[in-house]
Order: sequence, then structure tokens, then C-alpha cells
Amino acid sequence: GAVVSQHPSWVICKSGTSVKIECRSLDFQATTMFWYRQFPKQSLMLMATSNEGSKATYEQGVEKDKFLINHASLTLSTLTVTSAHPEDSSFYICSAHLSGQFFGPGTRLTVL
Amino acid sequence: KNEVEQSPQNLTAQEGEFITINCSYSVGISALHWLQQHPGGGIVSLFMLSSGKKKHGRLIATINIQEKHSSLHITASHPRDSAVYICAVPSLYGGATNKLIFGTGTLLAVQP
Repeated sequence: GAVVSQHPSWVICKSGTSVKIECRSLDFQATTMFWYRQFPKQSLMLMATSNEGSKATYEQGVEKDKFLINHASLTLSTLTVTSAHPEDSSFYICSAHLSGQFFGPGTRLTVL
Repeated sequence: KNEVEQSPQNLTAQEGEFITINCSYSVGISALHWLQQHPGGGIVSLFMLSSGKKKHGRLIATINIQEKHSSLHITASHPRDSAVYICAVPSLYGGATNKLIFGTGTLLAVQP
């Protein structure tokens, strides 16, 4: 139980395009999901907290207009990286809360 | 804000050895997470504990709330245990819905 999936697992895109990453809780409902970013050899850094039916809460320094988060249902949150640039290349991980946080497998984004 | 320190940062062991990874934090918490991240990047939640000890297979996690310290032990280590082990705690005292603060991780390499 408590499985979280992400799609896609990896994506390569051109600079200036937008990329959508999906995070799904497969066997439970999650009112709260979290989006993290991890650069090579660094710790996970929280980007935003996604709450079903309301606006996401962004961490300081994270541009809400660049990283759009939608949590339209209790099992799905999406992160859209708009107008992606090479510096957005990173590993993006989501987690869903159910008596603790359960993590997705991550999405590796490479922006050329 | 909670601060998390892990030690050691890097650990190389021979197959079969008993391994201990330590985690200290600065602010009282309700629960602590131990996570495993394999080279591909995906994160697996190993334990969430708030007191005492938990055991799963060859993995044992202990926590001392008074001393603000937790340890992760691996018995009879195997090369497939090679991964980064991460300790995470809520950023502030409170429930599991709090965002997590992550330690820098311990890179474990188990040699055959």
C-alpha cells in the first residue's frame, strides 16, 4: 500500500518549452502532496506544498509563475515547469501524505 | 527551523559487516523518517518512527527522543544495500503533514 507514481520518469526538452510532471497516489487519497527538487550531489529541497482544492504554498525563492502546481483531485497533483531553461534541469520528486510521506520515484528533467 | 545532521557522510563497508548511520536533529519532533535513494534517484521510505525501535528485515531503526538522535542499522550488509540513506524530520514540531527537512545523506558502498 501507499504507492506513489510519477510520470514521466524522465524527459528531455528544448529550452523555452513547458513540461508537465504528474504525481499520483495509487491506492490512497492525499489531500497534501509535496514537490521537491534535487540537484546532483545535493539534498532534496522542498519547492512547494500542494493542497487539494486550494492554491499551493511555495517555498521562498521558488517562482510560482514558473512552477505551476495543480492539485485538482485527491490522487493527482501536477507540476508544470513553464518556459524551461537549462538551469531547471534537475530531479523532481513528489511525495504524498498518509500518516507520513510516501515518495514517488522521481522525474529527471533535462533541458537542452 | 529544524536542523538535521547525519554521519558519516560516506561509508564503505565489506559485505557482511554491521553498519550504523547516525542522525541528530535540533528541534523536538513527532516522527522521523529514514529514506533510501538508489543511484537511479528513486526514493524508498524505509521507516517512520516516533519512539523506540523498528525492524524490517535486515534494517533496524532506533530513536531517542530525549537525545534527539536516531540510528539506522544494517545487519549482514550486502552490495545491493549500496545507496544514499537520508534522515528527514518535520521542519517544526508537529504532525506528519509538516514539510520535511532532509539530512545531507550518507553514501553507503558495500563491497563484495
